[in-house]
Amino acid sequence: ELKVEQNPLFLSMQEGKNYTIYCNYSTTSDRLYWYRQDPGKSLESLFVLLSNGAVKQEGRLMASLDTKARLSTLHITAAVHDLSATYFCAVIPAGGGADGLTFGKGTHLIIQP
Amino acid sequence: EAQVTQNPRYLITVTGKKLTVTCSQNMNHEYMSWYRQDPGLGLRQIYYSMNVEVTDKGDVPEGYKVSRKEKRNFPLILESPSPNQTSLYFCASSSGGGKLFFGSGTQLSVL
Repeated sequence: ELKVEQNPLFLSMQEGKNYTIYCNYSTTSDRLYWYRQDPGKSLESLFVLLSNGAVKQEGRLMASLDTKARLSTLHITAAVHDLSATYFCAVIPAGGGADGLTFGKGTHLIIQP
Repeated sequence: EAQVTQNPRYLITVTGKKLTVTCSQNMNHEYMSWYRQDPGLGLRQIYYSMNVEVTDKGDVPEGYKVSRKEKRNFPLILESPSPNQTSLYFCASSSGGGKLFFGSGTQLSVL
């Protein structure tokens, strides 16, 4: 059974600081996804990482994938309040059917002025 | 505008009263799925469909039914809702590759 673990599950940080969210998964996969959810809202796709060593960046967020370590990171640079949200990673196992994503429990990020 | 539309947005019902949550997408996506979101548990897949008339169980299918008679629609049916099905439900669709487009969610309370 595929397990996806994120940590931390809760993070409170100050504006301007850097931090990293980690996503570990338990079985072979080369497809990993990051989603963002604002309070009371739906999920929005942030990044799609499809190969070992993949790195994607958008604004202050950068995601990377190490398939050998079964680890993805979401790095936040010089955080701003607008990045406060819950961030989910999700994985499709190798050979997995279609788009059956297994999600982590999410990292609730609060960025304080 | 490309979107996944769920209805209703909020629903309060009583134990045992059948209900349907509708989901429709206008992107001609083949893949559609239902998730439930519970505090501390993240999102868990209930059912998914890879095309018309093709559906399969996800991780937590007990107590739910789905149908896919048309490509655009994928309703979630609770034949006899129970309080443990109180949750936030999301429908999602995809053209492949794992990038899901989510509906706005349905908050269901079963009393």
